[in-house]
Amino acid sequence: AQSVAQPEDQVNVAEGNPLTVKCTYSVSGNPYLFWYVQYPNRGLQFLLKYITGDNLVKGSYGFEAEFNKSQTSFHLKKPSALVSDSALYFCAVRDKRGNTPLVFGKGTRLSVIA
Amino acid sequence: DGGITQSPKYLFRKEGQNVTLSCEQNLNHDAMYWYRQDPGQGLRLIYYSQIVNDFQKGDIAEGYSVSREKKESFPLTVTSAQKNPTAFYLCASSIDGAGGRGEQFFGPGTRLTVL
Repeated sequence: AQSVAQPEDQVNVAEGNPLTVKCTYSVSGNPYLFWYVQYPNRGLQFLLKYITGDNLVKGSYGFEAEFNKSQTSFHLKKPSALVSDSALYFCAVRDKRGNTPLVFGKGTRLSVIA
Repeated sequence: DGGITQSPKYLFRKEGQNVTLSCEQNLNHDAMYWYRQDPGQGLRLIYYSQIVNDFQKGDIAEGYSVSREKKESFPLTVTSAQKNPTAFYLCASSIDGAGGRGEQFFGPGTRLTVL
């Protein structure tokens, strides 16, 4: 079975400060990991993914995420938050073995305060 | 939203009615998916299809039906058997199958409200 947890429902950060949105996962084998962002009443937009190789993945809009196999984590980070980063963020995972679809976390709402 | 269109944007249904949500993609993707989003519950998979004329149930398929007669189209019918259908519905597609490494692209969503 595969699962993903986003332990924080809400993250608040001041504009210009670094931000972190946490994600931990559970799979039987090795994971494919994804981050998406959702703005109000919109579909999800893909930010970045980890497939293999370098543990630090860089994505859209200055976001990056670090894959940590020993801690089964894939936290999303950005060095300097913008008010426009305020949105709902989803982490997703699928096991490389098998043929099952992505499993999404429940989402973390990020608020960046000016 | 990545070449995926959903219609209508807003849909109102009376109790006991079936309604069909449209999803079309022009990305030439093999796999398509339907998700339901409720506040605080994230995305839950309803159905997915990896090839024309084939589809699989997701975690919450009861009360829903789908068809995949064309590669670019994956309509979702919300039947009267679905007891709590009010939600935001999202369609997605991916270039490879459900277990592949490709990311999913999402449509803009349909908000269904039962009156």
